[in-house]
Amino acid sequence: DAGVIQSPRHEVTEMGQEVTLRCKPISGHNSLFWYRQTMMRGLELLIYFNNNVPIDDSGMPEDRFSAKMPNASFSTLKIQPSEPRDSAVYFCASSPTSGANVLTFGAGSRLTVL
Amino acid sequence: AQSVTQPDIHITVSEGASLELRCNYSYGATPYLFWYVQSPGQGLQLLLKYFSGDTLVQGIKGFEAEFKRSQSSFNLRKPSVHWSDAAEYFCAVGAGNTDKLIFGTGTRLQVFP
Repeated sequence: DAGVIQSPRHEVTEMGQEVTLRCKPISGHNSLFWYRQTMMRGLELLIYFNNNVPIDDSGMPEDRFSAKMPNASFSTLKIQPSEPRDSAVYFCASSPTSGANVLTFGAGSRLTVL
Repeated sequence: AQSVTQPDIHITVSEGASLELRCNYSYGATPYLFWYVQSPGQGLQLLLKYFSGDTLVQGIKGFEAEFKRSQSSFNLRKPSVHWSDAAEYFCAVGAGNTDKLIFGTGTRLQVFP
């Protein structure tokens, strides 16, 4: 099993540009999570999906952030337009069973917005 | 609402010494509790979890944790620390009726030879 796969691993962009982060969950896992990690705020849950449906997006900071899960094997987190304060490591995680809470994390996407 | 507190931001120990990392949680019912470890530049790896039953749980890499309901705590322990244990450790709490995990702010462990 390849685990949770995230791309890109690193992204440097300029303020105002659109950023798209991608995630492939573990096959058979039906819950997917996007977390953001910063020094100031630690690990924050942005949004999570169950069976491709967004269940809780209360952590999405602003309308500039959007997430989609068009199928069971792919999700995107988009920031448009990006701002310097969006600089962080974004983690995707997946879980095999609703309510089990046992998350497997990807290696993360480090975003730097200049 | 669920919350997790890790009172120690940074801990330094000598290799071979024992370790205890503190975690306190807030949750109205019996929580699901987790410890994850993050090495530099890596994602989080599950060390151990508590759902129910025996309050002392064993995990990978020689770690264990004890659930104490009366103290709302789930402290992580290791009897003898290795240099490779240097990393950041996160405690997390989840509710049985959702998939959400709420993480603490983490404790950075430094190990001296």
